Amino acid sequence: AQTVTQSQPEMSVQEAETVTLSCTYDTSESDYYLFWYKQPPSRQMILVIRQEAYKQQNATENRFSVNFQKAAKSFSLKISDSQLGDAAMYFCAYIPSNTGKLIFGQGTTLQVKP
Amino acid sequence: DGGITQSPKYLFRKEGQNVTLSCEQNLNHDAMYWYRQDPGQGLRLIYYSQIVNDFQKGDIAEGYSVSREKKESFPLTVTSAQKNPTAFYLCASSIQGRGESAFFGQGTRLTVV
Repeated sequence: AQTVTQSQPEMSVQEAETVTLSCTYDTSESDYYLFWYKQPPSRQMILVIRQEAYKQQNATENRFSVNFQKAAKSFSLKISDSQLGDAAMYFCAYIPSNTGKLIFGQGTTLQVKP
Repeated sequence: DGGITQSPKYLFRKEGQNVTLSCEQNLNHDAMYWYRQDPGQGLRLIYYSQIVNDFQKGDIAEGYSVSREKKESFPLTVTSAQKNPTAFYLCASSIQGRGESAFFGQGTRLTVV
């Protein structure tokens, strides 16, 4: 069965510092996509970053970047220069391109301290 | 404006009653999803559909039913067979369900009393 695991239920970071959120996944597929979504207190899900498994280059979006290790099935999110507005729950997600089954991890709650 | 709309935002029902949650999108997306969110358990997939008149069970489909008669609509019925229906429900859609980013509705909080 395909699974996504986020082993850190809660993390905290000082404003302006860097934090890394972990995600591992289990799959036998070779063609798939990975995502990080942010859920602020409003509970509206917001896409942070997307990674295509066939691309070796790690995706980046401004202060957000990933470390994609395909062989290790690891997909961590690095947030640089953390801001108060980054405080939210972060979800890692996976979808194989052949089934369309989009599944999520348990989430990591990020606290940003001023 | 294009988007995905869930209604109502809050829903209260008595135990033993079926209830239907609405999800409508005007993004012309083929794929649609329903998730349940409970504290500490992340988003768990209930049902998903990649095309009209077809849908698949997710990881926690028991006690739920869906239909996909129109591309724009993917209603979720929480039946009396669902043992613990109180939760936050999220609907999402994506272009084809082949790896594109998913867009989410604002969710429905269902409370069964």
